[in-house]
Amino acid sequence: EAQVTQNPRYLITVTGKKLTVTCSQNMNHEYMSWYRQDPGLGLRQIYYSMNVEVTDKGDVPEGYKVSRKEKRNFPLILESPSPNQTSLYFCASSLFRGPSITEAFFGQGTRLTVV
Amino acid sequence: GQQVMQIPQYQHVQEGEDFTTYCNSSTTLSNIQWYKQRPGGHPVFLIQLVKSGEVKKQKRLTFQFGEAKKNSSLHITATQTTDVGTYFCAGEGRSQGNLIFGKGTKLSVKP
Repeated sequence: EAQVTQNPRYLITVTGKKLTVTCSQNMNHEYMSWYRQDPGLGLRQIYYSMNVEVTDKGDVPEGYKVSRKEKRNFPLILESPSPNQTSLYFCASSLFRGPSITEAFFGQGTRLTVV
Repeated sequence: GQQVMQIPQYQHVQEGEDFTTYCNSSTTLSNIQWYKQRPGGHPVFLIQLVKSGEVKKQKRLTFQFGEAKKNSSLHITATQTTDVGTYFCAGEGRSQGNLIFGKGTKLSVKP
């Protein structure tokens, strides 16, 4: 089954404790992306990757890191989480058919709480 | 920076009524995508529009892309309770891969 898998689904952590949210897709998609969703603000892009070893900042990259060492994985790293990073996070992947990305497949989401 | 505005923010309808959500971009878009997110769920792709003036239909859903490729709309005819959710439009922004979402329109349907 084609899918995007995020882990963990729920996470409560303390300020400053480094954490990683994993994202994996089994569709051989070139493009992967991370979003955060907050009430009233919709989905905002954090980082995206057009292919292996290629990453770019989205609209809200501050406080986050990513890496794309393999095509299927795109982990999101919070080196020193703060309470304002409490949010619902989604990973997504798409094919890239130049000049545009195509339909995005989203993971189930990770609800992160930083206290 | 580029913005994608979506209105209305909320829409409450009686089952059987029609529903429309509108999306406007501050710049010309290469294409626009529409997604639906059910309560507690993740966004699910509905459609992608690429051509100026394009109109596509999916059963009771009609999608339009404006002639100038700066606006789009989603129209649902005769809403059903299964249509409940938040509808988002999204366009590529300052560079390929920079996908910008509208804030969404939350649809509730009263039976």
